[in-house]
Amino acid sequence: KAGVTQTPRYLIKTRGQQVTLSCSPISGHRSVSWYQQTPGQGLQFLFEYFSETQRNKGNFPGRFSGRQFSNSRSEMNVSTLELGDSALYLCASSLDGATNTGELFFGEGSRLTVL
Amino acid sequence: AQSVTQLDSQVPVFEEAPVELRCNYSSSVSVYLFWYVQYPNQGLQLLLKYLSGSTLVKGINGFEAEFNKSQTSFHLRKPSVHISDTAEYFCAVSPWGYQKVTFGTGTKLQVIP
Repeated sequence: KAGVTQTPRYLIKTRGQQVTLSCSPISGHRSVSWYQQTPGQGLQFLFEYFSETQRNKGNFPGRFSGRQFSNSRSEMNVSTLELGDSALYLCASSLDGATNTGELFFGEGSRLTVL
Repeated sequence: AQSVTQLDSQVPVFEEAPVELRCNYSSSVSVYLFWYVQYPNQGLQLLLKYLSGSTLVKGINGFEAEFNKSQTSFHLRKPSVHISDTAEYFCAVSPWGYQKVTFGTGTKLQVIP
Protein backbone atom coordinates (compact mmCIF):
# COMPACT_ATOMS: atom_id res chain seq x y z
CA LYS A 1 0.00 0.00 0.00
CA ALA A 2 1.55 3.28 -1.10
CA GLY A 3 2.16 5.90 1.57
CA VAL A 4 1.38 9.60 1.54
CA THR A 5 3.07 11.30 -1.39
CA GLN A 6 4.00 14.97 -1.40
CA THR A 7 5.32 16.94 -4.34
CA PRO A 8 7.56 18.71 -4.85
CA ARG A 9 10.02 17.67 -2.14
CA TYR A 10 12.11 20.82 -2.39
CA LEU A 11 11.46 24.21 -3.92
CA ILE A 12 12.89 27.71 -3.84
CA LYS A 13 10.79 30.81 -4.39
CA THR A 14 11.28 34.53 -4.00
CA ARG A 15 9.27 36.94 -1.91
CA GLY A 16 5.95 37.89 -3.46
CA GLN A 17 5.60 34.72 -5.51
CA GLN A 18 3.02 32.04 -4.87
CA VAL A 19 3.43 28.30 -4.46
CA THR A 20 1.22 25.24 -4.73
CA LEU A 21 2.02 22.02 -2.90
CA SER A 22 0.39 18.70 -3.62
CA CYS A 23 -0.49 15.73 -1.42
CA SER A 24 -1.80 12.30 -2.39
CA PRO A 25 -3.15 10.43 0.66
CA ILE A 26 -3.07 6.73 1.31
CA SER A 27 -5.72 4.94 -0.73
CA GLY A 28 -9.01 4.91 1.18
CA HIS A 29 -8.07 7.77 3.50
CA ARG A 30 -10.55 10.61 3.27
CA SER A 31 -9.08 13.11 5.72
CA VAL A 32 -6.04 15.20 4.79
CA SER A 33 -4.34 17.61 7.18
CA TRP A 34 -1.56 20.11 6.55
CA TYR A 35 1.08 21.24 9.02
CA GLN A 36 3.84 23.84 8.88
CA GLN A 37 7.05 22.91 10.66
CA THR A 38 9.72 25.45 11.53
CA PRO A 39 12.60 25.27 14.03
CA GLY A 40 11.15 28.06 16.14
CA GLN A 41 7.45 27.20 16.12
CA GLY A 42 7.45 23.42 15.85
CA LEU A 43 4.46 21.76 14.18
CA GLN A 44 1.60 24.14 13.53
CA PHE A 45 -1.74 23.00 12.19
CA LEU A 46 -2.84 24.71 8.97
CA PHE A 47 -6.09 23.00 7.98
CA GLU A 48 -7.87 19.71 7.56
CA TYR A 49 -10.04 18.58 4.68
CA PHE A 50 -12.60 15.82 4.55
CA SER A 51 -14.76 14.98 1.55
CA GLU A 52 -13.67 18.14 -0.27
CA THR A 53 -14.69 20.36 2.65
CA GLN A 54 -12.44 22.24 5.02
CA ARG A 55 -13.41 20.88 8.41
CA ASN A 56 -10.81 22.48 10.67
CA LYS A 57 -8.57 25.50 10.31
CA GLY A 58 -5.53 26.71 12.19
CA ASN A 59 -4.50 30.24 12.94
CA PHE A 60 -2.83 31.27 9.69
CA PRO A 61 -3.47 34.30 7.48
CA GLY A 62 -5.67 34.09 4.41
CA ARG A 63 -2.59 33.81 2.19
CA PHE A 64 -2.64 30.14 3.11
CA SER A 65 -5.38 28.19 1.42
CA GLY A 66 -6.13 24.66 0.40
CA ARG A 67 -8.54 22.39 -1.31
CA GLN A 68 -9.35 18.73 -1.66
CA PHE A 69 -10.46 16.94 -4.76
CA SER A 70 -13.02 14.16 -5.17
CA ASN A 71 -10.22 11.55 -5.16
CA SER A 72 -9.06 12.91 -1.75
CA ARG A 73 -5.89 14.43 -3.19
CA SER A 74 -5.21 17.81 -1.68
CA GLU A 75 -3.33 20.95 -2.58
CA MET A 76 -2.29 23.91 -0.50
CA ASN A 77 -1.41 27.31 -1.85
CA VAL A 78 0.55 30.13 -0.32
CA SER A 79 0.28 33.50 -2.05
CA THR A 80 2.48 36.56 -1.71
CA LEU A 81 5.28 34.60 -0.11
CA GLU A 82 7.21 36.05 2.82
CA LEU A 83 10.61 35.07 4.17
CA GLY A 84 8.89 33.65 7.24
CA ASP A 85 7.02 31.13 5.10
CA SER A 86 10.22 29.14 4.69
CA ALA A 87 9.40 25.83 6.33
CA LEU A 88 8.77 22.15 5.92
CA TYR A 89 5.14 21.63 4.95
CA LEU A 90 3.81 18.27 6.02
CA CYS A 91 0.71 16.54 4.78
CA ALA A 92 -0.95 13.77 6.76
CA SER A 93 -3.83 11.51 5.89
CA SER A 94 -6.08 9.47 8.12
CA LEU A 95 -8.87 6.94 7.92
CA ASP A 96 -11.84 8.94 9.10
CA GLY A 97 -15.01 7.27 10.24
CA ALA A 98 -16.55 5.30 13.07
CA THR A 99 -13.19 3.79 13.97
CA ASN A 100 -11.31 7.07 13.81
CA THR A 101 -8.58 7.33 16.41
CA GLY A 102 -6.82 10.43 15.15
CA GLU A 103 -3.78 8.48 14.00
CA LEU A 104 -2.04 10.35 11.21
CA PHE A 105 0.11 9.05 8.36
CA PHE A 106 2.62 11.61 7.20
CA GLY A 107 4.33 12.29 3.91
CA GLU A 108 7.99 13.26 3.77
CA GLY A 109 7.12 16.91 3.37
CA SER A 110 7.79 19.73 0.95
CA ARG A 111 10.65 21.98 1.99
CA LEU A 112 10.00 25.53 0.87
CA THR A 113 12.74 28.15 0.91
CA VAL A 114 11.76 31.76 0.30
CA LEU A 115 14.57 34.12 -0.74
CA ALA B 1 -9.23 22.47 23.91
CA GLN B 2 -6.21 20.25 24.31
CA SER B 3 -2.58 21.09 24.93
CA VAL B 4 0.60 19.06 25.07
CA THR B 5 3.76 19.94 26.96
CA GLN B 6 7.14 18.40 26.27
CA LEU B 7 9.36 19.95 28.90
CA ASP B 8 12.68 18.84 27.44
CA SER B 9 13.62 20.35 24.10
CA GLN B 10 16.85 18.34 23.92
CA VAL B 11 17.95 15.17 25.66
CA PRO B 12 21.54 13.92 25.26
CA VAL B 13 22.16 10.33 26.31
CA PHE B 14 25.00 7.88 25.89
CA GLU B 15 24.56 4.86 23.67
CA GLU B 16 23.13 1.81 25.51
CA ALA B 17 21.86 4.00 28.37
CA PRO B 18 18.14 4.22 29.21
CA VAL B 19 16.12 7.27 28.27
CA GLU B 20 12.80 8.84 29.23
CA LEU B 21 11.14 11.59 27.22
CA ARG B 22 8.44 13.38 29.14
CA CYS B 23 5.01 14.39 27.92
CA ASN B 24 2.15 15.98 29.84
CA TYR B 25 -1.20 16.92 28.39
CA SER B 26 -4.35 18.73 29.37
CA SER B 27 -7.81 18.11 28.04
CA SER B 28 -11.40 18.50 29.19
CA VAL B 29 -12.41 15.34 27.32
CA SER B 30 -10.99 11.86 26.90
CA VAL B 31 -8.15 11.64 24.43
CA TYR B 32 -6.08 9.22 22.43
CA LEU B 33 -2.32 9.62 22.92
CA PHE B 34 0.51 9.18 20.44
CA TRP B 35 4.26 9.38 20.10
CA TYR B 36 5.70 10.14 16.67
CA VAL B 37 9.35 10.14 15.59
CA GLN B 38 10.91 12.30 12.91
CA TYR B 39 14.27 11.43 11.41
CA PRO B 40 16.22 14.18 9.60
CA ASN B 41 14.59 15.38 6.38
CA GLN B 42 11.66 13.03 6.77
CA GLY B 43 8.03 13.17 7.81
CA LEU B 44 6.68 11.91 11.11
CA GLN B 45 6.26 8.21 11.76
CA LEU B 46 4.05 6.69 14.43
CA LEU B 47 6.03 5.07 17.28
CA LEU B 48 3.13 3.97 19.46
CA LYS B 49 -0.38 4.89 20.53
CA TYR B 50 -2.65 4.57 23.53
CA LEU B 51 -6.31 4.12 22.73
CA SER B 52 -7.65 2.21 25.75
CA GLY B 53 -6.92 -0.80 27.93
CA SER B 54 -3.49 -1.50 29.37
CA THR B 55 -1.71 1.69 30.36
CA LEU B 56 1.66 0.32 29.25
CA VAL B 57 1.97 0.53 25.50
CA LYS B 58 4.73 -1.01 23.44
CA GLY B 59 5.79 0.43 20.12
CA ILE B 60 8.34 -0.04 17.39
CA ASN B 61 12.12 -0.03 17.86
CA GLY B 62 11.89 -1.11 21.51
CA PHE B 63 10.09 2.00 22.77
CA GLU B 64 7.27 1.92 25.29
CA ALA B 65 5.11 4.50 27.01
CA GLU B 66 2.93 4.54 30.08
CA PHE B 67 -0.34 6.40 30.33
CA ASN B 68 -0.94 7.93 33.75
CA LYS B 69 -4.40 9.42 33.92
CA SER B 70 -4.04 10.99 37.38
CA GLN B 71 -0.87 12.80 36.34
CA THR B 72 -2.04 13.37 32.77
CA SER B 73 1.27 12.09 31.50
CA PHE B 74 2.40 9.82 28.70
CA HIS B 75 6.16 9.44 29.07
CA LEU B 76 8.19 7.58 26.47
CA ARG B 77 10.94 5.19 27.55
CA LYS B 78 13.58 2.93 26.10
CA PRO B 79 15.85 0.76 28.27
CA SER B 80 18.88 0.98 25.96
CA VAL B 81 19.23 3.50 23.15
CA HIS B 82 21.12 3.10 19.91
CA ILE B 83 22.77 5.66 17.66
CA SER B 84 19.95 5.15 15.17
CA ASP B 85 17.46 6.48 17.76
CA THR B 86 18.84 9.99 17.24
CA ALA B 87 15.78 11.89 16.04
CA GLU B 88 13.08 14.28 17.17
CA TYR B 89 10.15 12.85 19.10
CA PHE B 90 6.69 14.38 19.25
CA CYS B 91 3.92 13.64 21.71
CA ALA B 92 0.37 14.20 20.42
CA VAL B 93 -3.23 13.97 21.61
CA SER B 94 -6.51 13.60 19.79
CA PRO B 95 -9.93 13.91 21.44
CA TRP B 96 -12.24 10.94 21.09
CA GLY B 97 -14.42 11.11 18.01
CA TYR B 98 -12.92 14.34 16.75
CA GLN B 99 -10.34 14.58 14.00
CA LYS B 100 -8.02 17.19 15.49
CA VAL B 101 -4.52 16.29 16.60
CA THR B 102 -2.47 18.57 18.84
CA PHE B 103 1.30 18.13 18.91
CA GLY B 104 3.88 19.03 21.51
CA THR B 105 6.91 21.09 20.56
CA GLY B 106 9.14 18.05 20.23
CA THR B 107 12.17 16.63 22.03
CA LYS B 108 15.43 16.10 20.18
CA LEU B 109 17.11 12.92 21.35
CA GLN B 110 20.84 12.93 20.74
CA VAL B 111 22.55 9.61 21.30
CA ILE B 112 26.25 9.98 22.06
CA PRO B 113 28.59 7.15 21.02
